[in-house]
Amino acid sequence: DTGVSQDPRHKITKRGQNVTFRCDPISEHNRLYWYRQTLGQGPEFLTYFQNEAQLEKSRLLSDRFSAERPKGSFSTLEIQRTEQGDSAMYLCASSPISSTGGTGELFFGEGSRLTVL
Amino acid sequence: GENVEQHPSTLSVQEGDSAVIKCTYSDSASNYFPWYKQELGKGSQLIIDIRSNVGEKKDQRIAVTLNKTAKHFSLHITETQPEDSAVYFCAASIVRNEKLTFGTGTRLTIIP
Repeated sequence: DTGVSQDPRHKITKRGQNVTFRCDPISEHNRLYWYRQTLGQGPEFLTYFQNEAQLEKSRLLSDRFSAERPKGSFSTLEIQRTEQGDSAMYLCASSPISSTGGTGELFFGEGSRLTVL
Repeated sequence: GENVEQHPSTLSVQEGDSAVIKCTYSDSASNYFPWYKQELGKGSQLIIDIRSNVGEKKDQRIAVTLNKTAKHFSLHITETQPEDSAVYFCAASIVRNEKLTFGTGTRLTIIP
């Protein structure tokens, strides 16, 4: 396994269009996280899944954003009616559940960069 | 919610010298403090972490110190090498790795 992979790596779209990002986590990692990172800032938490269940969503995730992990493996993040403020790097991370039941080490993908014109 | 501040935003050191990056956090409930290294074209990588019941942790040339009373923690890199050049992020969370709050990053440049 080569790690967390994200697709596409770069997406340029016009304002108002919908975009979808895909994340393939490391095999057998139960937990999957989405973060957003804008230029000069650190990653900001968006949402996370344990298997197929979405356990928490940040207030940053407006109703234009939806994330799914239908079979507990890959995940998609869709942004509807994109706005220029959505331009950012969208990062996916996965982790196993640790032996104590908590979240193990996070492994990040390289990210999907969104540019909204 | 948690707020993490990180300083400096950029840091240049001569190869072989030490580098120190500092972070402060606001939520006294935070218990877990990891440091990530972000390189161009690569996923961010955990380099070291510390939990609140420990004051210091070391892994070869990298060490992290935590002052829970003052709510600050620091990354120390000794004997810096060119491959240490990257952007470093500190983070904090109440539960390990759940909903990490990141600092704004420090771009470290090692001058050969």
